[in-house]
Order: sequence, then C-alpha cells, then structure tokens
Amino acid sequence: GESVGLHLPTLSVQEGDNSIINCAYSNSASDYFIWYKQESGKGPQFIIDIRSNMDKRQGQRVTVLLNKTVKHLSLQIAATQPGDSAVYFCAESPIYGGSQGNLIFGKGTKLSVKP
Amino acid sequence: NAGVMQNPRHLVRRRGQEARLRCSPMKGHSHVYWYRQLPEEGLKFMVYLQKENIIDESGMPKERFSAEFPKEGPSILRIQQVVRGDSAAYFCASSPDSLNSPLHFGNGTRLTVT
Repeated sequence: GESVGLHLPTLSVQEGDNSIINCAYSNSASDYFIWYKQESGKGPQFIIDIRSNMDKRQGQRVTVLLNKTVKHLSLQIAATQPGDSAVYFCAESPIYGGSQGNLIFGKGTKLSVKP
Repeated sequence: NAGVMQNPRHLVRRRGQEARLRCSPMKGHSHVYWYRQLPEEGLKFMVYLQKENIIDESGMPKERFSAEFPKEGPSILRIQQVVRGDSAAYFCASSPDSLNSPLHFGNGTRLTVT
C-alpha cells in the first residue's frame, strides 16, 4: 500500500553541525508534505511544509527539499542546537481519497544533538 | 493566543470503563482532527470533524469509538469499554478554513488502560 517512511530511525550530530533527515514516500499523487518535530511528552510541532509544485523551501535554519523524481523528501537543519533534539516526522497529504487533514505520517527519526 | 487545548493530559481507566477525551481547537479554527500514536510510532489518523459534522472517519475503529464536535463546546473523542490495546497517546489538531493548511496539534491525552 501507499506509505511514507524514513531511511534512518536515529541520527546523532554534534552541536553546530548541519543535520539532514530523510524521508521516502510512495504515493506519487501526494500534493502536500509537512515536517513535524515532536519533543518528549508533547504534541507534534509544525516546522515547515512544501507543495508538490515546489522543490525547495526555506525557513529559519531549516530547508525542505522535495525530489519528485525519486519521491524523496529531506529536512535540513543548519547549525544544529541541543534544543533541536526531538523526533522528526514527515507527513504527506494524498491528493485523492483522504480528506484535508488526513495526513499519513512516517515512523519518525530521533535526532540527538551532542554538546 | 492559546493553542489547541486537550484534557486531561493523563487518563487511567480500567478495562471495560469509558474514556472521554476533550479538545478545544485554536481560536478561529473550525476543523478538528483526532490522531492516535502508539509508542515508538508515527501518528495515525482517526477522524476529521467540522462543527456538528463528521467529515471523514475512515481511521476510526467501527466499534466502541465515537467522536463529536458540537456547535458549542469542545470536541469529544469517546471510547467505550476500553481494552488494553486502546492505551496510546491521542492527539487533537485543528486548522482554519483552508485546504492543506498546516495542522496545529495539542499536547495529547495519554490513555492508560489497566
């Protein structure tokens, strides 16, 4: 079936380095992709999103890249800080079937930042 | 500007009891979504509601689970006759009236069934 998944379940980086978290999706009809950050005991926090008509979008210290050819999504965090330690989820919104808000989440990548 | 508010934060129920989870969306948001998260897993969509209407309940188990979003008051996710497999974190999210706008999540209710 259609699914969203992550290549790496855990990622450990040194403070100040850049982090790259990857995500593969299988539904080529998906129109909208989102990255969420979830800290322990909290709900997912929106980081950045991208529509399928774009291949790159930048926010504050974060960049999302979308490669529709290979159905790959990545989140780049510049100058990673200890406060970035969390689990990161990618999610997709299918253009068909599911309603607005019926997001399909990946399993998550745990980012650990070493001081 | 308060975010999505969920209560209680933690809920313990014995098998066979009922669980009621409440969610107040962000101010100005009329779309509410419920998701369930098992430990070490991503969130799974359950149901999408607008005021007084269920729009999509494709992720909701057919038995024991129900959801409502009345004209006045919070959205309620109700689980009857809970079983141990219902133990999970339940998250509510809301969005304004626009297609594919980001969902804003609450901090969840952690349900433990003993």
